[in-house]
Amino acid sequence: AAGVIQSPRHLIKEKRETATLKCYPIPRHDTVYWYQQGPGQDPQFLISFYEKMQSDKGSIPDRFSAQQFSDYHSELNMSSLELGDSALYFCASSPITAKNIQYFGAGTRLSVL
Amino acid sequence: RKEVEQDPGPFNVPEGATVAFNCTYSNSASQSFFWYRQDCRKEPKLLMSVYSSGNEDGRFTAQLNRASQYISLLIRDSKLSDSATYLCVVVKSGSARQLTFGSGTQLTVLP
Repeated sequence: AAGVIQSPRHLIKEKRETATLKCYPIPRHDTVYWYQQGPGQDPQFLISFYEKMQSDKGSIPDRFSAQQFSDYHSELNMSSLELGDSALYFCASSPITAKNIQYFGAGTRLSVL
Repeated sequence: RKEVEQDPGPFNVPEGATVAFNCTYSNSASQSFFWYRQDCRKEPKLLMSVYSSGNEDGRFTAQLNRASQYISLLIRDSKLSDSATYLCVVVKSGSARQLTFGSGTQLTVLP
């Protein structure tokens, strides 16, 4: 079965650079969520989209922005990267028939040097 | 104080043992509850939903006590493959279904 696809799987950037993370939800899933998991920490909710509109916002820094496109894929844009942004970034999606069940992608590991 | 608190662990148990994890949540408006498992450097995967009536999935039993704001997970007959971090997860009402995670409890099943 198709899963949530995230790209790239690994990304290395330097301080003050920008990064774009991509997420392709499971087909027919209309909601996308982004989470950040720092080393030794639990995942923290960043932002979510439903039907291409932002539906909820968590602890997302102002330097980050995200959007969901007409094909339901989502991108997380990160600017002025800081060392503390080094983390695993997970995207999850959920279907309209089971809104509380979220399926996670394998994540993008971002390292800021 | 975190919204979702878990036993810190780690739990190291022999194969075949029964192990129980506890979790408490602070927001009484929470509406949905789950256990996820996460293997090292991998994504969280849904293990099971948790209901007040209790639910069982093979060797796994989950229980919710809304009055005490307490969630539990029982694993019977532990297997080596059960070794992972178990995350207690809560969805608050009106939160557009964002998941709030506990810090996780690490389980290692030893041969």
